[in-house]
Amino acid sequence: SQQGEEDPQALSIQEGENATMNCSYKTSINNLQWYRQNSGRGLVHLILIRSNEREKHSGRLRVTLDTSKKSSSLLITASRAADTASYFCATSPGGNEKLTFGTGTRLTIIP
Amino acid sequence: EPEVTQTPSHQVTQMGQEVILRCVPISNHLYFYWYRQILGQKVEFLVSFYNNEISEKSEIFDDQFSVERPDGSNFTLKIRSTKLEDSAMYFCASSVRGHTDTQYFGPGTRLTVL
Repeated sequence: SQQGEEDPQALSIQEGENATMNCSYKTSINNLQWYRQNSGRGLVHLILIRSNEREKHSGRLRVTLDTSKKSSSLLITASRAADTASYFCATSPGGNEKLTFGTGTRLTIIP
Repeated sequence: EPEVTQTPSHQVTQMGQEVILRCVPISNHLYFYWYRQILGQKVEFLVSFYNNEISEKSEIFDDQFSVERPDGSNFTLKIRSTKLEDSAMYFCASSVRGHTDTQYFGPGTRLTVL
């Protein structure tokens, strides 16, 4: 898989259910960031997890990072219609300034 | 809450014309970036800028592209002679401390080259 590859590509769930998205990457990283993008709009930063962290919470979001497996997951609990968007993971390889984005998971919350 | 702003929101230009996309990063941030997203594709890194010089650039960022911080607030991306394939959404981002830190993105400029 490519650096920052999300899985699944698309996910549809009922409002109120939990949504889990996964991200895999190839190289060692400083940190991994999750972003949300509503259709045709800008990227909204959700959460940053550093390479020495295993789990992080922010409101209804829970992010895990497993550097041994080079993977991360984003859990959105008690989903709402407003959570409908594309979700991207982005990695910052060691020493590099650039973020490398994945292809994204398109999440649809059905009211 | 401070945010990155970009102008214009949409720019339409003829092939071969020069365009300048403008960004105002968050005021206490020191690192600035441009990314682009061709419709339906991944967000791609173009260039990073720190201390008034380019710190990193991608293969996409060829001689047709340049960046500048003309004053204390603006950060611009210039495309000298636009091509059809330059049509994309261009995002500016900024961060306080560079690669160890959160990058905050602007709303984007949609560039359409005809």
